[in-house]
Amino acid sequence: SYELTQPPSVSVSPGQTARITCSGDALPKKYAYWYQQKSGQAPVLVIYEDSKRPSGIPERFSGSSSGTMATLTISGAQVEDEADYYCYSTDSSGNHLFGGGTKLTVL
Amino acid sequence: QLQLQESGPGLVKPSETLSLTCTVSGGSISSSSYYWGWIRQPPGKGLEWIGSIYYSGSTYYNPSLKSRVTISVDTSKNQFSLKLSSVTAADTAVYYCARHLVVDTAMGVNWFDPWGQGTLVTVSS
Repeated sequence: SYELTQPPSVSVSPGQTARITCSGDALPKKYAYWYQQKSGQAPVLVIYEDSKRPSGIPERFSGSSSGTMATLTISGAQVEDEADYYCYSTDSSGNHLFGGGTKLTVL
Repeated sequence: QLQLQESGPGLVKPSETLSLTCTVSGGSISSSSYYWGWIRQPPGKGLEWIGSIYYSGSTYYNPSLKSRVTISVDTSKNQFSLKLSSVTAADTAVYYCARHLVVDTAMGVNWFDPWGQGTLVTVSS
């Protein structure tokens, strides 16, 4: 079955750039989306259609996609960015799925 | 501002049916281009899409859950509902409802936003 693969964890110091990857065979043909989930809260959309940023999301959040990999980049990560991040996409059959999630630690 | 709120029992016995309702406020559930979806998250684990419904009643489900899932809509109450039958402990999770914008299925242009706060459902005798 189709899967979106993310690293379990990423750790950076405040002010550094954090990059979280998402790998999936359908990504060359399907858009990727990114959600931020802070502890005890519902997920929040931070990137849609590979690289677009919803209103209200800080400019330090950006996204890109090339081949079978999508990447969420947080430039100048801040302590408040510490959260779980999930990629999301659609497979060739139209089913929707999330990656396994990446825990971002900023300290 | 659109808001969604899940409601329903927090405890369900094994083999019974889990039933949840999502109430939409600040907007109409009958808006075109929008589906309405359910997503769940077992404690300490990742997110899983359950299914989505259009205001007309058109539905589509995660194949892995399809045999046990029914999603319905009540436009008069601005609500949509989830029923999951024959539950086991593996169905214990936080259940979220969310607006599901579907623009282009072929390109995968669709996303969930906003989400409700989620409700924990525990399956236990």
